[in-house]
This record gives sequence, C-alpha cells and structure tokens, in this order.
Amino acid sequence: DAGVIQSPRHEVTEMGQEVTLRCKPISGHDYLFWYRQTMMRGLELLIYFNNNVPIDDSGMPEDRFSAKMPNASFSTLKIQPSEPRDSAVYFCASSFLQGSGTEAFFGQGTRLTVV
Amino acid sequence: GENVEQHPSTLSVQEGDSAVIKCTYSDSASNYFPWYKQELGKRPQLIIDIRSNVGEKKDQRIAVTLNKTAKHFSLHITETQPEDSAVYFCAASSGNYQLIWGAGTKLIIKP
Repeated sequence: DAGVIQSPRHEVTEMGQEVTLRCKPISGHDYLFWYRQTMMRGLELLIYFNNNVPIDDSGMPEDRFSAKMPNASFSTLKIQPSEPRDSAVYFCASSFLQGSGTEAFFGQGTRLTVV
Repeated sequence: GENVEQHPSTLSVQEGDSAVIKCTYSDSASNYFPWYKQELGKRPQLIIDIRSNVGEKKDQRIAVTLNKTAKHFSLHITETQPEDSAVYFCAASSGNYQLIWGAGTKLIIKP
C-alpha cells in the first residue's frame, strides 16, 4: 500500500475562494482523521470518521469548514470561503480498529496558503 | 475531557547524551499512549507506544515509561544522534480512537 495519499501537496489561493483538500486512506482502515497544524496552535483534530460516518466534528472551527467521506477510499475537506487565518498544513490520517488504541498513519499533508 | 500537557517545549542536548520528554494526562480512563516524531517539513510518524497494562517499553535507544498512578508518561532517548533532531509529540487515547495530543517538544541535538 502506498500509504495515506493527500492532494494537493501545496495550495495557494486568494481569500474568499473555495478550497478542497483530498485524502485517500490506507485500504482496510476504518478510521479517518483530519488535522490542522500551525505553529501557534499545534496539531488540532478537526473531524474524524468511522466507517465513513462522521463521529466527532467538534474541532471544525467554523461553518466555513466541511468534510465528507462518500466511500471508504476517499474523503474531502472543504473551506468556503477561505480566509488568511486558514493558512496551515492540513493532515489526513487513517487507522484501523485494534484493541484500545492503534497507530494513526499520516499523509504527507497539504500546505495551504490563503493570500 | 482529556487534556495532555507536554514538557519541555524545547530541549537542547549534546550529541551522545540522553533526552527525556514528559507528558501528563488528565483522564484516568486513558489506556493508549503513543509518541510521534515529526521531522521538519514531514509528517508525524509513530516511534513507540505503550498501553496501560505495562509500565515500560523499550526499542533500541528509545524507551517509554508509564506511571498510571501519577498519570504521566515519558519518552527517553539515549545516546542521541543528529538524526534525532525533530519535534516529538505525545498523545493519549481512552479507547474511542480519538488521540489527544501534547503541544510538542522541539529536540535539538548539538554536535
């Protein structure tokens, strides 16, 4: 397996534009997580899915953020409209059910810059 | 809910010396404690983890200890090398697969 695949790797967009980040989890994994990383706030969990169903979206900062997982092999994180303060590295991670806890495998991240 | 505190935020050690990073957690139900290493510009990757039924785990130069009574766990790196320079994150999970992360420790290895 190629691991968790995210696209694009880099995205530069103008304030007000819609941004869509994409993630393909590792095949067979039933948990998918979206994280945002900034110097100021560290690693923040935005939302996670179990078997394609959103379980906890309490970390989604505003209604401008939305996430979907239409099937087991694809998820999107959308920001509409984007703002400069959304600039960050966005990571997608996946894991599978294993006892009390299990390793989260991260994608390479999408570096988003909103100008 | 769970809260994880990590110290120090920056740690500078001489090459060859040991490094220790400490984390405390608040939820006594937490039972899984991983440590991730993130090199500059790269993704976080698991380096070692421990579950609540053991007190210590070792993997070559890396070890993790867990004190459930005090609710803290630590990462120990011995004989540090330049490639150990990175940001290290601790995390805790209470079985709902949601990891609660520490703020990270930037480890600097001085030659």
